[in-house]
Amino acid sequence: GAGVSQSPSNKVTEKGKDVELRCDPISGHTALYWYRQRLGQGLEFLIYFQGNSAPDKSGLPSDRFSAERTGESVSTLTIQRTQQEDSAVYLCASSPLGSGYGYTFGSGTRLTVV
Amino acid sequence: DQQVKQNSPSLSVQEGRISILNCDYTNSMFDYFLWYKKYPAEGPTFLISISSIKDKNEDGRFTVFLNKSAKHLSLHIVPSQPGDSAVYFCAASAQGGSEKLVFGKGTKLTVNP
Repeated sequence: GAGVSQSPSNKVTEKGKDVELRCDPISGHTALYWYRQRLGQGLEFLIYFQGNSAPDKSGLPSDRFSAERTGESVSTLTIQRTQQEDSAVYLCASSPLGSGYGYTFGSGTRLTVV
Repeated sequence: DQQVKQNSPSLSVQEGRISILNCDYTNSMFDYFLWYKKYPAEGPTFLISISSIKDKNEDGRFTVFLNKSAKHLSLHIVPSQPGDSAVYFCAASAQGGSEKLVFGKGTKLTVNP
């Protein structure tokens, strides 16, 4: 597609439930990044994919968080047993060849845990 | 440990005047710096960047200045327009941009007509 697409755009879930967030990167972009932005905070790095491998997952806050990517395409971020502190906007970005300056962001998924 | 700091959460300027947004960093390995602009309910969009081998980069109304010795960069917008009202994020990367971006908390710019 023309841009990075994320779904759903909004998600309200009950504490303790699992959620799955989806990212469709720009076609041909080999690098894919997940960030999150909690209220009043900056963008916090979660995980980086190069192709379908994840050379840097240092930002995942706990083992409740996991992500996978199919080839150089769709990525899903899964949060198990959601907690209220997981409430944030989850942003996905893709770029060609892992270049930091080539990020194109999606519009994000606003996750609210109640 | 916040490696990229934007100490002003908000800035308000009059239309036509200069907007100056500031950013400080602590990691001396950073060698590529970027500014992103974010409107509500949208993802950040790339605005302008600068490599550490330069001290200034200009693109139309936007100029980024880098002071490596002070580990400080700034974004100048001249003249400011109401459409520039957004949150501006400073970001930094190591190894010429091949490393992941580290973002500041953002500065909300309001340009008043």
